[in-house]
Amino acid sequence: GESVGLHLPTLSVQEGDNSIINCAYSNSASDYFIWYKQESGKGPQFIIDIRSNMDKRQGQRVTVLLNKTVKHLSLQIAATQPGDSAVYFCAERIGGSARQLTFGSGTQLTVLP
Amino acid sequence: DTGVSQNPRHKITKRGQNVTFRCDPISEHNRLYWYRQTLGQGPEFLTYFQNEAQLEKSRLLSDRFSAERPKGSFSTLEIQRTEQGDSAMYLCASSSRVALDNEQFFGPGTRLTVL
Repeated sequence: GESVGLHLPTLSVQEGDNSIINCAYSNSASDYFIWYKQESGKGPQFIIDIRSNMDKRQGQRVTVLLNKTVKHLSLQIAATQPGDSAVYFCAERIGGSARQLTFGSGTQLTVLP
Repeated sequence: DTGVSQNPRHKITKRGQNVTFRCDPISEHNRLYWYRQTLGQGPEFLTYFQNEAQLEKSRLLSDRFSAERPKGSFSTLEIQRTEQGDSAMYLCASSSRVALDNEQFFGPGTRLTVL
């Protein structure tokens, strides 16, 4: 079936370096994508979103890139900080009237001192 | 705090018992969602309400599960005759009708353990 997936389950980066978390999706009908951050014991926290008619969107220290040709989504975190350590999920919404999000399995980001 | 709240935060029950969880969405949000998350996995969609109407239900929502949102504000999720496989984090999210997209704000979740 079609699903959202992640390339790497874990990622370790040095504090101050940039982080890149990747996500592959296979549903060409998806029109909206979100990145969430989830800390242990907490619910997912919205980071940034992007619509399918865009290829890049920037927030505070974060950038999301969307490549519809290869169905690939990435989250870039600039100057990674210890507080960025968490599990990161990408999620997609299939276009049309559907409102549910389909999540990938997540990438554990660990920031090393 | 005006975020999504969920109660209880933790629930331990014996197999076969019924449990009920409550979700209070952000006050101006008309859309409410329930998801289930198991360890190491992303949330899986269960059901969606727009106001009091339940518009979408996942195949994951067996007949032992029922969700309600009687007045279009808070919602309850009930699991009857719980099984060990029901052990998971149950997440509630809400979103606004005026949002162009589907930015969903999540609550802290209710962790269910079925013994």
